[in-house]
Amino acid sequence: DQQVKQNSPSLSVQEGRISILNCDYTNSMFDYFLWYKKYPAEGPTFLISISSIKDKNEDGRFTVFLNKSAKHLSLHIVPSQPGDSAVYFCAARHGSSNTGKLIFGQGTTLQVKP
Amino acid sequence: ETGVTQSPTHLIKTRGQQVTLRCSSQSGHNTVSWYQQALGQGPQFIFQYYREEENGRGNFPPRFSGLQFPNYSSELNVNALELDDSALYLCASSSEGNTIYFGEGSWLTVV
Repeated sequence: DQQVKQNSPSLSVQEGRISILNCDYTNSMFDYFLWYKKYPAEGPTFLISISSIKDKNEDGRFTVFLNKSAKHLSLHIVPSQPGDSAVYFCAARHGSSNTGKLIFGQGTTLQVKP
Repeated sequence: ETGVTQSPTHLIKTRGQQVTLRCSSQSGHNTVSWYQQALGQGPQFIFQYYREEENGRGNFPPRFSGLQFPNYSSELNVNALELDDSALYLCASSSEGNTIYFGEGSWLTVV
């Protein structure tokens, strides 16, 4: 029972273009969503998050959009850079008492070509 | 640099043995959680400790256990190791309502 799904295992974009990574979830109780980036042999690095009371959060080149009715969120990276090439994980949480408990998707491998 | 450090970084154990993995949390964070990440998968939540008590557990058997110490450092213990326990084990620390920060992980190989 995969509560958080990233249906695209991989994505390839050209440097300077937009990268859009998608994530779907099934549990309507999720109230906080995060995106992490992971390089090989390293732990996940926090990128950006969004609370369920918002529909958009922006931080530099990264923007996360949340569509609660569709139970869908996306991460936009503009402009994409070769250093963005990594595995991206979407994660969700419900309840402030579950601060440390995240449900992760399977990840999407992003390749940004120079 | 997340301020979360884990040790050891790599280790090899034999099936049936026991292993202890260690984690030092980011300063000021009172919650530590552990995750298992198998190849090609997202991290899977094992359990969470808050102020030295377990207060959330994922779908892992009792041979996975943990401790959190007064300084908020933590251990993950796995008994009776199985081949399928081979994975990257991630420690993460957080505080109420805040972002969760991960360490670099400990790679465990069971042979």
